[in-house]
This record gives sequence, structure tokens and C-alpha cells, in this order.
Amino acid sequence: AQSVTQLDSHVSVSEGTPVLLRCNYSSSYSPSLFWYVQHPNKGLQLLLKYTSAATLVKGINGFEAEFKKSETSFHLTKPSAHMSDAAEYFCVVSDASGYSTLTFGKGTMLLVSP
Amino acid sequence: DARVTQTPRDKVTEMGQEVTMRCQPILGHNTVFWYRQTMMQGLELLAYFRNRAPLDDSGMPKDRFSAEMPDATLATLKIQPSEPRDSAVYFCASGLEGASMGYTFGSGTRLTVV
Repeated sequence: AQSVTQLDSHVSVSEGTPVLLRCNYSSSYSPSLFWYVQHPNKGLQLLLKYTSAATLVKGINGFEAEFKKSETSFHLTKPSAHMSDAAEYFCVVSDASGYSTLTFGKGTMLLVSP
Repeated sequence: DARVTQTPRDKVTEMGQEVTMRCQPILGHNTVFWYRQTMMQGLELLAYFRNRAPLDDSGMPKDRFSAEMPDATLATLKIQPSEPRDSAVYFCASGLEGASMGYTFGSGTRLTVV
């Protein structure tokens, strides 16, 4: 069984300040972990993925995430927020069993103010 | 960039009518998912195909929903009869077995049942 908990439903930051979106996961097998972003009325775009290689993963648009097995966490960060980062972010887990689906967190809405 | 194509983008229909949504996965991808997104429930898995065979459709109301892959280039999701509670955005995603590369989502079909 696998599950994902996104600890914040909303995060508000000012433009130019750091972003931290928190995610904890549970998985019976070695997990693959993803962050997807969804802009209003748009589809889901893959930001980055962890699949058992380097624990610090760099993605698009300056985002990165660190896999911490001991904490079962996969938090998403960005050093400096941009107005265009305002969107909903989903943490997703898929285990490596070969027959696993994608399990989504409830999402975190990132609000960026000028 | 290769993309997952979903049609139609928007569909408004009357309660009781049949609705068919189509998805063209990325060429070469052997795994296809159908997800439904609503404000209340977030993203829910409806169906999961591997090499065109259904692996998991436990999230789908069996009495009215059906999902098929008549060939490797087409996945369909059908609702008959449709009900207002089916109003949602339906996403298709495709990828390769093992999830190591992540999954690519289509832009979705926004269904409104009146």
C-alpha cells in the first residue's frame, strides 16, 4: 500500500522569497516519487522525479526536491519564488513493484504575492 | 515534445446521455491511466492499463463506466448513462512500465452533466 500526505493545503509567499512545499509518503516498496504542477484550468506537468538515483533531484523552473528515506519525506523547494509559480502542486508516489498506480496527495496551492 | 492527446476538451451533456472520452497515448508507452479530478475528491484513479490489458479498474463505478483500449494508440472512457455527479475533469496519462520516467498527462476533458 502507498499513500502521500501533503502537509499544507495552501502556502503563501512573496515574490523573491524561498518556497517550501512539504510531502511525506508511505510505500511498501522502494518508491518512485514525483512532483506535478497544475496551473489554473490546465493539465498536470511533471516538475521532477526521484527514482532511486541521486537523493537531491533538480527539476524544471528552478525547483528541486530531496528524498529523505529516514524521514519518509520528499519536500519541494525553490530559492526564489516568481509570480508564474502560483499554481497547485501535487506530490505523487508510485512503488517499484511493477504493478503500481500513481497515488496523489491532496495538493498544495502556492500563492505568490508581489 | 511528445504529448498525450485527449478529446474532446470540453463536453456538456444532459443527464442520461452517453459520453465517450478519448485518449491517444504517447507512441511506445505501454501504460495508460484514467484519473478524475473534482474539488471535493481531488485526483482519483479510475482505470489502469498495461500493454492494453486492464490491471485495475476498482475505482470506476462498474454499472455506468467502462474503459477500453481497442488498440495501442487509443484509450476510451465511456459513461452510460451520465449523471450530474460525473461532472469533473477527466485526465489520461501514459508512460512506460516501472514509472522510472514519470507519466505524461493530457490536458483533460472537462465534463459537465446538466
